Formats: sequence, structure tokens, C-alpha cells
Amino acid sequence: EAGVAQSPRYKIIEKRQSVAFWCNPISGHATLYWYQQILGQGPKLLIQFQNNGVVDDSQLPKDRFSAERLKGVDSTLKIQPAKLEDSAVYLCASSKLTDTQYFGPGTRLTVL
Amino acid sequence: DQQVKQNSPSLSVQEGRISILNCDYTNSMFDYFLWYKKYPAEGPTFLISISSIKDKNEDGRFTVFLNKSAKHLSLHIVPSQPGDSAVYFCAPGYNQGGKLIFGQGTELSVKP
Repeated sequence: EAGVAQSPRYKIIEKRQSVAFWCNPISGHATLYWYQQILGQGPKLLIQFQNNGVVDDSQLPKDRFSAERLKGVDSTLKIQPAKLEDSAVYLCASSKLTDTQYFGPGTRLTVL
Repeated sequence: DQQVKQNSPSLSVQEGRISILNCDYTNSMFDYFLWYKKYPAEGPTFLISISSIKDKNEDGRFTVFLNKSAKHLSLHIVPSQPGDSAVYFCAPGYNQGGKLIFGQGTELSVKP
């Protein structure tokens, strides 16, 4: 069974630029999560989708972050404009419903 | 407001000995508790979990203990192996929502 796929693996941008990350969950998983992991901290949930509806986006900085999950499968997370403090690893995870979450390898973002 | 704390950033043990990783939480509403393991440049992988109605769960070399009155859980690894060297996160969650709250992580190093 293929795992959660994410791209790109690494991205370097300058502040005020825009960036987008892509996630393809495990086949058949209805729930998809985006986490932000800042160096030295644990992952923090940004947004949770069930199928293509948002379940929880309470910690998403909506003035600069947006996410969508069209057709209830793939998802993209966008940041515009990026700030220095957005430097982090962005992790995507999926689960069948609300059971065990399986994580992708993450995208490491560096904002200069 | 840090709901989940792993107070030891790092732990070093000898191969064959026991590793004990600790986690404290403040929210008594958590329904279940998970441990994830993370290798560098990879996403977290699920290790073991325990429901709030139990006080112990064992899976091979890994045992998780839950003390609800103290709001404390621990992960025991016996015997420890060099391949166990990784960052370990505790992540309590809610049955109804799927959302996980991650601790800061403890980096375990198992010396041969």
C-alpha cells in the first residue's frame, strides 16, 4: 500500500513570496490533516479535512494560509505572503476516519 | 498554553537496557494517547497507543503506561536497540475529532 505522498520535499523562498505544497493521501482515507512542525517543537495541526469539507481550521493563520481539498482526495496548502516565522516542516497526514494518522515525509520550507 | 509536555529533550541509554520516555498532559478530556517515532527527514510513524479506559498496553518491546490521576503517561522500551534511536512524540487526542496534540518530543539515543 502506497503511503502519503508530498511534494516538493524542500523549498527555499524569500519573505513575501508565495509557496504551495501538495499532498496525496493513502487511497481510501477520508480524513486529511496538515501540520506545521517548527524546529524543536512537535507538529501543530493547521487544518483537518473530512472528504472535501473542513472539520477544524482553528489554528490556520487565515490571513496568509489557505488550503483546499478538491474532490476529497489530493490537497494543497498555500502560503502568501510568506514570513520568516513560517520556516518549518509541513506535514500531511491521512486516516480512514478519525483513527490512526499516517504521515508523509514532509516539506521543509526555508524563508529567507 | 502547553497541554502536552515532554520535559526531557533528550535521553541516552545503552543497548539492551530499558528506555523510559515520559509525557505529562493537562487536559482530562483526552480519550486516547498515541506515541509516534520520527527519524530524520521522515514523517512521524505510529508506534503504540492506549485508550483512556486502560492503564497499560503492550506491543512486543514497547509498553505504554497511563496514570490518569497524575495526567502522566510513559513509554517503556525493553530491551533498547540502536535502531530505536529517534525522536519520540506523545500525542493525546479525542475520539470524536481525530485531532492530536503533540508534545515537543524526546530524542532517544541508544548506544551500542
